[in-house]
Amino acid sequence: DAGVIQSPRHEVTEMGQEVTLRCKPISGHNSLFWYRQTMMRGLELLIYFNNNVPIDDSGMPEDRFSAKMPNASFSTLKIQPSEPRDSAVYFCASTKPGTSGSNTQYFGPGTRLTVL
Amino acid sequence: AQSVAQPEDQVNVAEGNPLTVKCTYSVSGNPYLFWYVQYPNRGLQFLLKYITGDNLVKGSYGFEAEFNKSQTSFHLKKPSALVSDSALYFCAVRPPGSARQLTFGSGTQLTVLP
Repeated sequence: DAGVIQSPRHEVTEMGQEVTLRCKPISGHNSLFWYRQTMMRGLELLIYFNNNVPIDDSGMPEDRFSAKMPNASFSTLKIQPSEPRDSAVYFCASTKPGTSGSNTQYFGPGTRLTVL
Repeated sequence: AQSVAQPEDQVNVAEGNPLTVKCTYSVSGNPYLFWYVQYPNRGLQFLLKYITGDNLVKGSYGFEAEFNKSQTSFHLKKPSALVSDSALYFCAVRPPGSARQLTFGSGTQLTVLP
């Protein structure tokens, strides 16, 4: 299996520009998570989807952030407009179907975003 | 609310010595507990998890962790450290029956000195 795939791996943009991060979960996984990692705040859960439906977006910092999952094999995280404080590494993770909550989350390699 | 604490930001150990990375948690009921490792410029990799059963869990790369309910701890251990074990380690907790939301600790940077 190819694992969770994220693109781009690195993104450098200017303040005010729109940024779109992409994620392809592991085939057969039905839950998808977006995280943000910074030195100051550590690893934060932004939003997660179950069967393509957003379940909890309470971690999304502002209205400038939005996420979609149009099908089981693709999700996007969009920032519009971007700000320097959005600079971070953004991770996507996915898990298999299951109701117990014991399933392991598998992480992608991350997208390093730099907003100038 | 669930929480997890990694009391040490940094752990240094000599190669060949045993290592311990500490984790304590606070959650109602019997938790699911996870350890992940992150190498520089990489995503988090799953090491091991405790769901139920034997309190000693064995995982990847020779790591193991012991679930201690009375001390609400889940410390990560390895009998003999390697320089290649140097990385950032995260403990995570999820209450049973929850929708699949993990709470991560702040991470512990492990440095194994040659």
